[in-house]
Amino acid sequence: DGGITQSPKYLFRKEGQNVTLSCEQNLNHDAMYWYRQDPGQGLRLIYYSQIVNDFQKGDIAEGYSVSREKKESFPLTVTSAQKNPTAFYLCASSLEGVQPQHFGDGTRLSIL
Amino acid sequence: GNSVTQMEGPVTLSEEAFLTINCTYTATGYPSLFWYVQYPGEGLQLLLKATKADDKGSNKGFEATYRKETTSFHLEKGSVQVSDSAVYFCALSDPNEKLTFGTGTRLTIIP
Repeated sequence: DGGITQSPKYLFRKEGQNVTLSCEQNLNHDAMYWYRQDPGQGLRLIYYSQIVNDFQKGDIAEGYSVSREKKESFPLTVTSAQKNPTAFYLCASSLEGVQPQHFGDGTRLSIL
Repeated sequence: GNSVTQMEGPVTLSEEAFLTINCTYTATGYPSLFWYVQYPGEGLQLLLKATKADDKGSNKGFEATYRKETTSFHLEKGSVQVSDSAVYFCALSDPNEKLTFGTGTRLTIIP
């Protein structure tokens, strides 16, 4: 079955450490997105990419970085510059120009 | 900019009760509107959508009508089940295809 796979499901970060969250899709979608979800809040867009080797900042990009070297993959790095990284991170994808977005099951990041 | 305002939760109902979750939006142009559902520990799943005024989206007994005159997209279901317990998100997409989400409404159905 086609879908979006996020790994790991749970991730712990030490102070001053960078961590990378994986997102892979086999839906042949052009566009991919990263969102952050905090308790009691909606989803906020971190970064998005509409084509390989190109990506744009979303509403809360500071302290995060991404790459899009392959159509199937859109990893997110949470850098040490992100001072409040504890959250639930969701990856999504869609066909360019066509909604809706399809979501992975998320990665929950916590600070040790 | 775009924004979505959802009914504050949490909402608790008895099984077979009628459900309404209110959603209003602010946007330029003519956005598409969506309801997503999130079950515990999972990502979001698309529940229904509407792409133009007066369209009605429906799925699994849920319905919502795109009302341009009131800028609303309220979610309704005639008879809820325990399995409907989840968090529901209203969202809109702009011409650049980015989604703007509401804060979510947690729904709990009691047997």
